[in-house]
Amino acid sequence: GAGVSQSPSNKVTEKGKDVELRCDPISGHTALYWYRQSLGQGLEFLIYFQGNSAPDKSGLPSDRFSAERTGGSVSTLTIQRTQQEDSAVYLCASSVAGTSGQIQYFGPGTRLLVL
Amino acid sequence: EDQVTQSPEALRLQEGESSSLNCSYTVSGLRGLFWYRQDPGKGPEFLFTLYSAGEEKEKERLKATLTKKESFLHITAPKPEDSATYLCAVQSGGGADGLTFGKGTHLIIQP
Repeated sequence: GAGVSQSPSNKVTEKGKDVELRCDPISGHTALYWYRQSLGQGLEFLIYFQGNSAPDKSGLPSDRFSAERTGGSVSTLTIQRTQQEDSAVYLCASSVAGTSGQIQYFGPGTRLLVL
Repeated sequence: EDQVTQSPEALRLQEGESSSLNCSYTVSGLRGLFWYRQDPGKGPEFLFTLYSAGEEKEKERLKATLTKKESFLHITAPKPEDSATYLCAVQSGGGADGLTFGKGTHLIIQP
């Protein structure tokens, strides 16, 4: 079946502009995660949605980052007033449920470059 | 704070030369340890999940093992198509639901 999809694949923006990144999880998956992968760094957890519960925002690096999930499916990660250090690959993952040890399946990522 | 350290950072092997990748971890209550493979320009691809010390899982030329402090990914008689970055991650009972990843081992298999 279809995997996790993300759009756009690549995004180039200017410092100070806002960007929106989209994630479509695997159909039927109730849990959705956002991660950031910077050059030379490991994947860094950003935010987690489980069903209609309030999201776990513990990994968001600053208040310029926000995310929402509409109808328990598609999610949008928004970065306001982008900075050059925001340049990274943003990865989305989904799992069947947010319970212990559930496998997270990743999308191909959005490569963001802030000039 | 959960920590994951992978070694070596990079490994170059000849085709058929077996080896092991190491993942050392510190967590407050392990809920699961995950191995992923990542090819350039792509998202991580799931390989294995291990839940308790002593557990082992195999898939083709790969075998993952788990102790209370570390996990090993053993690669037997590798082929060039096994070249990739291998990522280790843990999910803990410490509160956050996201995975904590190591920086990965970049594996190159030369024909």
